Amino acid sequence: DQQVKQNSPSLGVQEGRISILNCDYTNSMFDYFLWYKKYPAEGPTFLISISSIKDKNEDGRFTVFLNKSAKHLSLHIVPSQPGDSAVYFCAASEGGNKLVFGAGTILRVKS
Amino acid sequence: EAGVAQSPRYKIIEKRQSVAFWCNPISGHATLYWYQQILGQGPKLLIQFQNNGVVDDSQLPKDRFSAERLKGVDSTLKIQPAKLEDSAVYLCASSLRRAGTGKYEQYFGPGTRLTVT
Repeated sequence: DQQVKQNSPSLGVQEGRISILNCDYTNSMFDYFLWYKKYPAEGPTFLISISSIKDKNEDGRFTVFLNKSAKHLSLHIVPSQPGDSAVYFCAASEGGNKLVFGAGTILRVKS
Repeated sequence: EAGVAQSPRYKIIEKRQSVAFWCNPISGHATLYWYQQILGQGPKLLIQFQNNGVVDDSQLPKDRFSAERLKGVDSTLKIQPAKLEDSAVYLCASSLRRAGTGKYEQYFGPGTRLTVT
């Protein structure tokens, strides 16, 4: 029962272009969504979050969009940099505490 | 500020042996989590502590896994006996409630990679 799905296992993007990572969820009770970034041999690090009362949240080069009717969120990275190459996990929660993670998307930014 | 510490970083054991992992959360974080991340999947919550009490252990295989949080600070996760399917990275996280949103921001340790042969 995968409540959070990231359907693209990997994504390759040229440096300077936009990276778009997608995430779908099934549980309509989820009201808080997060993106984590993970480098090899390290734990996931928090990147950006969005509450269900918003449809967009921006932090520097990172923007998260939430479409509640479609149960879909996306992470945009503009411009993409080689240091952004990592695994990106989407996570969702009901009430902001217990997180349910997607399987992750490997982003490779080519210079 | 020191991050979440975990040890060991790597462990290789044979099936049916036992193993223990240790976690030291960020100072002042009341909530502590243990996750299991199998290769190719996202982290899955095993157990959540609030101070030294268990909040959620619904996904912990209690016939072989156990966890405790000593005095509401450090925590240990034990597997006894281990099975081949327990091969995974075990992540510890601790969290702080954000004043603005009231939501919990989880900080993860580097994890322990367990290989069961």
